[in-house]
Amino acid sequence: GEDVEQSLFLSVREGDSSVINCTYTDSSSTYLYWYKQEPGAGLQLLTYIFSNMDMKQDQRLTVLLNKKDKHLSLRIADTQTGDSAIYFCAIDSASKIIFGSGTRLSIRP
Amino acid sequence: DGGITQSPKYLFRKEGQNVTLSCEQNLNHDAMYWYRQDPGQGLRLIYYSQIVNDFQKGDIAEGYSVSREKKESFPLTVTSAQKNPTAFYLCASSIGEGNKETQYFGPGTRLLVL
Repeated sequence: GEDVEQSLFLSVREGDSSVINCTYTDSSSTYLYWYKQEPGAGLQLLTYIFSNMDMKQDQRLTVLLNKKDKHLSLRIADTQTGDSAIYFCAIDSASKIIFGSGTRLSIRP
Repeated sequence: DGGITQSPKYLFRKEGQNVTLSCEQNLNHDAMYWYRQDPGQGLRLIYYSQIVNDFQKGDIAEGYSVSREKKESFPLTVTSAQKNPTAFYLCASSIGEGNKETQYFGPGTRLLVL
């Protein structure tokens, strides 16, 4: 089946930029998503990008899509302690949404 | 307020017992989903339902059952056949906007085995 892969952990210093990466296998995905999960809670949609776009910016969030390499990234500018969470990459594939394993972002002072 | 609710927040299961997790939504969404989340494994799809009175197995349906008698409700039963039920269970619903599908998640139920 189709797959979405992410690294499990990322640690950044407060105020720096965080870049969370994701690779996927289904080249026919139309929409690609980033979700955020805070401890003990459900997932919340952060942003999404349509497959014919290379970049989408939304305040501190920048999504970059490289369709040729099937690589998606989420950049969080000026990372704050409130950004500590697990971030999931997800793609649409065959009428389902497939989620990556999530990247746990921790912020150090 | 519109949203998805799951209950209970924590649930304890004894050996050989069936337990049912509740999921209710008032978003008027047609589709609903159940996921299981284990540490480091992300979300795995258990069952999903695109419409009332219809549902399909996901990737890990064995040991689970669902029903969809009402649009608002999609309860999940963890049966005694599920040998490793300890996990965080997430319910979601979605609305399709053309090809874009946004999933809205409930707060989750943590199931623990006594």
